[in-house]
Amino acid sequence: NAGVMQNPRHLVRRRGQEARLRCSPMKGHSHVYWYRQLPEEGLKFMVYLQKENIIDESGMPKERFSAEFPKEGPSILRIQQVVRGDSAAYFCASSMTASNEKLFFGSGTQLSVL
Amino acid sequence: GQQLNQSPQSMFIQEGEDVSMNCTSSSIFNTWLWYKQDPGEGPVLLIALYKAGELTSNGRLTAQFGITRKDSFLNISASIPSDVGIYFCAGLGSSNTGKLIFGQGTTLQVKP
Repeated sequence: NAGVMQNPRHLVRRRGQEARLRCSPMKGHSHVYWYRQLPEEGLKFMVYLQKENIIDESGMPKERFSAEFPKEGPSILRIQQVVRGDSAAYFCASSMTASNEKLFFGSGTQLSVL
Repeated sequence: GQQLNQSPQSMFIQEGEDVSMNCTSSSIFNTWLWYKQDPGEGPVLLIALYKAGELTSNGRLTAQFGITRKDSFLNISASIPSDVGIYFCAGLGSSNTGKLIFGQGTTLQVKP
């Protein structure tokens, strides 16, 4: 009964490097969401994707951040030229249908930028 | 933008006590959700509320969707040590894009 799988669990990068975070949704789910959580804060919506399509990226920073959910393989959240302020926990969630509030979250990737 | 104000920020209680936390918003939400997050893990859905005035229970947990659709509360009765964690309220608007707005969280500690 595989849930939402995220890897890596922990990622350390130096300033200026690229970070790639992966998310495999639950079986049968074709809707993926990325959220970011800063210490002692709630999760903040970043982007919503369906297979091969970005549906809502209103929470994504305009520069350096991108997301994809290809036809085959996991969803990828990519952060280019990371800065210290990118350090956070990044959570992926999936759902079976659109507008389905029953989002199932992964365990997250903790990104630390040195 | 939309914001949720969750209170209290933290609670330290004795095992067996009841707990209450709430969430308010300046905006209307169509759905209210309550999640629990354990350290190093993602949030887990506890209760979902879909209609104004709705009162829903899940074991020792009870949550209500406010009549104005701008607030919700969560009660935990007879707390136990495994209730420890961070509880988040979240609201879903009408955008239908899974764009949940989360509160800041209530950290609960239970003393055995």
